Amino acid sequence: AQRVTQPEKLLSVFKGAPVELKCNYSYSGSPELFWYVQYSRQRLQLLLRHISRESIKGFTADLNKGETSFHLKKPFAQEEDSAMYYCALYRNSGNTPLVFGKGTRLSVIA
Amino acid sequence: KAGVTQTPRYLIKTRGQQVTLSCSPISGHRSVSWYQQTPGQGLQFLFEYFSETQRNKGNFPGRFSGRQFSNSRSEMNVSTLELGDSALYLCATQPGGADTEAFFGQGTRLTVV
Repeated sequence: AQRVTQPEKLLSVFKGAPVELKCNYSYSGSPELFWYVQYSRQRLQLLLRHISRESIKGFTADLNKGETSFHLKKPFAQEEDSAMYYCALYRNSGNTPLVFGKGTRLSVIA
Repeated sequence: KAGVTQTPRYLIKTRGQQVTLSCSPISGHRSVSWYQQTPGQGLQFLFEYFSETQRNKGNFPGRFSGRQFSNSRSEMNVSTLELGDSALYLCATQPGGADTEAFFGQGTRLTVV
């Protein structure tokens, strides 16, 4: 079964510092990976997906099949980036659901 | 367009009772998934419905059940509530398969006392 691991429950960084939220997955096929974000008192929403290969709010994520990772990166953290971040995987064979990691809370300190 | 609507927003129930939660998807979205969100476990998948059929099911006991109506609205039911069922229950709807963007509701906060 596919699995998503986010090793850090909490990540604290200073404003302006680089940030990397780690995500590792276990799936032998060709997965589709996503990052979802939940800001305080807001709904969980899609941040980015690997197939679009775009930068959203300064965040990027590269799928590394060799390391089975999909880490989320931003060169300069902003206070408004403080939120809960979830990595999610979709196995594109058969009708399988979206599987989420347990999430990492990012706290950006001014 | 209107977002995903979950009702009620908050519920307090006692152990042994049952509860029904409702989710109204975005118009045109046929897939509805339910997740249980807790601080320690994150989002755990409960089940997914597509065109009134349960397409996927997570590893939850049979006390958790759901259904989807012809208008794509979905309900989930939890019977014989336990203290450990206290959580935020999220509904997510998608226009197609699981590879499309999931749109989440604000959730129903269930507290079992």
